Amino acid sequence: DAGVTQSPTHLIKTRGQQVTLRCSPKSGHDTVSWYQQALGQGPQFIFQYYEEEERQRGNFPDRFSGHQFPNYSSELNVNALLLGDSALYLCASNRQLQETQYFGPGTRLLVL
Amino acid sequence: GEDVEQSLFLSVREGDSSVINCTYTDSSSTYLYWYKQEPGAGLQLLTYIFSNMDMKQDQRLTVLLNKKDKHLSLRIADTQTGDSAIYFCAESRGGSYIPTFGRGTSLIVHP
Repeated sequence: DAGVTQSPTHLIKTRGQQVTLRCSPKSGHDTVSWYQQALGQGPQFIFQYYEEEERQRGNFPDRFSGHQFPNYSSELNVNALLLGDSALYLCASNRQLQETQYFGPGTRLLVL
Repeated sequence: GEDVEQSLFLSVREGDSSVINCTYTDSSSTYLYWYKQEPGAGLQLLTYIFSNMDMKQDQRLTVLLNKKDKHLSLRIADTQTGDSAIYFCAESRGGSYIPTFGRGTSLIVHP
């Protein structure tokens, strides 16, 4: 049973560029959430997708957007990258209305 | 202040018990979680407790919840070097199941 997978594992971008991160949920899960984890901090919730729609959103600017596909996989897009966007981006999945989320290994983004 | 607070570091000797503490602010928290993060890895859910429970035990792990004081603890019995990691306390409210995380406690286990 495959867990949550994310790609790529590492990424280096420059300020002003755009980036797309990808996530495949755990088998049987239909809900995907994205988190940003800055160095030395706990994960911060970005948004959650269910039935291909954004259902909940944390305190992140519109530069952060996402998408969910019919197979439940998801993408996180960040436009106009800032140095402060450097972080580990974590994807988590769960079955809708179930209390436990399962996390992927993350994508480490470095913005220069 | 932060919604979820934890001490940043804990150092224990191999074989001893570790106790990691956490406080949270919202009395409407429904679920409280403990996650483990090893270097360069994602988060692994260790255990969670519903807010109407006082205690939950799972093998070497014991979770204690004091709802009155909004205090959660994780006890790891017979701590091993493989337990060295960052431990995150988190809480979720209502039906959202979106956890709000603390900054994490770095557990260092030495021989």
